[in-house]
Amino acid sequence: KAGVTQTPRYLIKTRGQQVTLSCSPISGHRSVSWYQQTPGQGLQFLFEYFSETQRNKGNFPGRFSGRQFSNSRSEMNVSTLELGDSALYLCASSVLPGLAGGRVNEQFFGPGTRLTVL
Amino acid sequence: SQQGEEDPQALSIQEGENATMNCSYKTSINNLQWYRQNSGRGLVHLILIRSNEREKHSGRLRVTLDTSKKSSSLLITASRAADTASYFCATDVGAGANNLFFGTGTRLTVIP
Repeated sequence: KAGVTQTPRYLIKTRGQQVTLSCSPISGHRSVSWYQQTPGQGLQFLFEYFSETQRNKGNFPGRFSGRQFSNSRSEMNVSTLELGDSALYLCASSVLPGLAGGRVNEQFFGPGTRLTVL
Repeated sequence: SQQGEEDPQALSIQEGENATMNCSYKTSINNLQWYRQNSGRGLVHLILIRSNEREKHSGRLRVTLDTSKKSSSLLITASRAADTASYFCATDVGAGANNLFFGTGTRLTVIP
C-alpha cells in the first residue's frame, strides 16, 4: 500500500503570496490532519478533516485554511504569506478520527512539504 | 504553547549503548505516543502507551508512563547508528480527535 504523499515537496514563495499544499492519504484512510513544524515552535496541530468536514482546528490565524475532497485527498492553503510561515508542513492520515470505536487510530505521516517564504 | 517538553534536547552516545529520553506533559491525557523523525522528514510512529498502562515494550524500545508525575520515558537498548534521529512524544487530550500535542523533541546521535 502506498504511503501518505504530499506535493510539492519543496516550495519557495515571497511574502504576500498564497500557497496550496496537497496531501493524499493512504488508500482507505478517511481522516487527514495537518501539522506545522518550525524550529522555534516545534510541531503544532493545524486542523483535521474527516468526510470532507473540518473536525478540529488548532490555534492558527484565518490565513490558514484547508479542505478535504470526496476521495479523502486534502489541501491546505495559506494566504498572505509571512516570513514566519516558513516551515515543514506535515500531513497525517488515519482510518478514522482518533478514539473512534474506543480505539486510538494510528496516524501515518507523509514526508512533508518544505515551504520557504522570502 | 506545546503540550510536552523533552529532556535532554540532544543526546550523543556510542553504538551499543542505551539511550533514554524523557517527556513531561501538562494536562491529563488519554494516550501518549512516541514518534521518530529522520532529518527534516516525516514522522514514524514507534509506540503508544495508554493512560492506564505503566510500561510497554516493542523490540528494543521500552516506554514507561507515570501519570502522577505527568511524565514518560523512552529507552532504546543496544543502539545502532541507524537510530540517529529526533524523537518526539505526543499526547492526545481530546476525545475523538486526532490533534496530537508534540513535545520539543530529543535529537539522538549514535556514533558508530
